[in-house]
Amino acid sequence: GNSVTQMEGPVTLSEEAFLTINCTYTATGYPSLFWYVQYPGEGLQLLLKATKADDKGSNKGFEATYRKETTSFHLEKGSVQVSDSAVYFCALNPYNNNDMRFGAGTRLTVKP
Amino acid sequence: GAVVSQHPSRVICKSGTSVKIECRSLDFQATTMFWYRQFPKKSLMLMATSNEGSKATYEQGVEKDKFLINHASLTLSTLTVTSAHPEDSSFYICSAIGQDPETRYEQYFGPGTRLTVT
Repeated sequence: GNSVTQMEGPVTLSEEAFLTINCTYTATGYPSLFWYVQYPGEGLQLLLKATKADDKGSNKGFEATYRKETTSFHLEKGSVQVSDSAVYFCALNPYNNNDMRFGAGTRLTVKP
Repeated sequence: GAVVSQHPSRVICKSGTSVKIECRSLDFQATTMFWYRQFPKKSLMLMATSNEGSKATYEQGVEKDKFLINHASLTLSTLTVTSAHPEDSSFYICSAIGQDPETRYEQYFGPGTRLTVT
């Protein structure tokens, strides 16, 4: 079946530190991959996405590369800010089938 | 584009009453809408999938008589929590998929509704 596994949190970093949140997936076919961010008390916002192998999604300094060989879509940011504190969800959407699967979420706290 | 709204954003109701949550696609027509529930510090749990004009498909373990879903138009789906109890308190999030090439391959999420049952 289709599933997503992401690293457990919480993750606590100092401002300007490098961030990596690991995400691996299991899927049949060629899924699209997403990272969503959820700020306290709010819904999900799409952060970035990639629809095929080797695509790199990027937004607001975050980036993730769709790696088919390692079935991974790790989220990275070179220098985090306090405002990046949120919960990050990795998600998978099988091609042309909207049976979206979410990872458990990783809570990130950035301290000044 | 591709904005989804939810109303209300927060609602408090008394145990035993019913509450309705609306999900609207503001600038596109949504053939399919999804309802999720999120428990504190947990991931999203899909409750049901609704297609315009037909009955919703509920996930295993979700009571369809308790969580009534209506998708009466291409821009509106409603979730009614009937005879609510404190254990129904949660964050409910909807999402929608459009029917044109620009909105067909991604779910667009609403901002969520916080339900508190006292």
